[in-house]
Amino acid sequence: QVHLVQSGAEVRKPGASVTVSCKASGYTFSAYYIHWVRQAPGQGLEWMGRINPKSGGTYYSEKFQGRVTMTRDTSITTAYMELSTLRSDDTAFYFCARLIVSIQSFDFWGQGTLLTVSS
Amino acid sequence: EIVLTQSPGTLSLSPGERATLSCRASQSVTSSYLAWFQQKPGQAPRLLIYGVSSRATGIPDRFSGSGSGTDFTLTISRLEPEDFAVYFCQHYGSSLYTFGQGTTLEIK
Repeated sequence: QVHLVQSGAEVRKPGASVTVSCKASGYTFSAYYIHWVRQAPGQGLEWMGRINPKSGGTYYSEKFQGRVTMTRDTSITTAYMELSTLRSDDTAFYFCARLIVSIQSFDFWGQGTLLTVSS
Repeated sequence: EIVLTQSPGTLSLSPGERATLSCRASQSVTSSYLAWFQQKPGQAPRLLIYGVSSRATGIPDRFSGSGSGTDFTLTISRLEPEDFAVYFCQHYGSSLYTFGQGTTLEIK
């Protein structure tokens, strides 16, 4: 069965960086793009970008260009999302999700990682 | 970029009733890449409907999707207690993924 397991909650100060991991299992890691979506507490969903685990190619939302870096380690079937120059409004749950290209939507999601940015 | 607007913001209904949730796009959706998700507190979103009207694996047939152009609808024919949650629509186009702001379906 497919699982995406994310790293635990993080607390950072404004201006710092954070890296969230997403460990995939139960399927061929290189065959499905991994996307990152965030959700501020009590708010809606916001797409951040994606990585192609096979090639390492990335595509980011314009909003996060220059602040987000997505990488992967195929040897341990794990994707990473680094967000830098953190601000208080980056406080949110961060989800990784597997994309099904044929439907351009997300069939499996990680459990979410809460990032709190506070001085 | 297409903006998705969901209505109503909150829908108060009783178990057994029919729920109709709306998702309106700011421009006509020319592809069929319109999906619906359910999210319960403390959980990740769950894919319900993709391609406007196809149910995802394991989704009961009381959930149905419809629509075209700029107007899309998620219908839950007879509400079960476990259906009370937040629902999001999602679109893909021009390499971008957008979500509606959500509709909260609460017990009346």
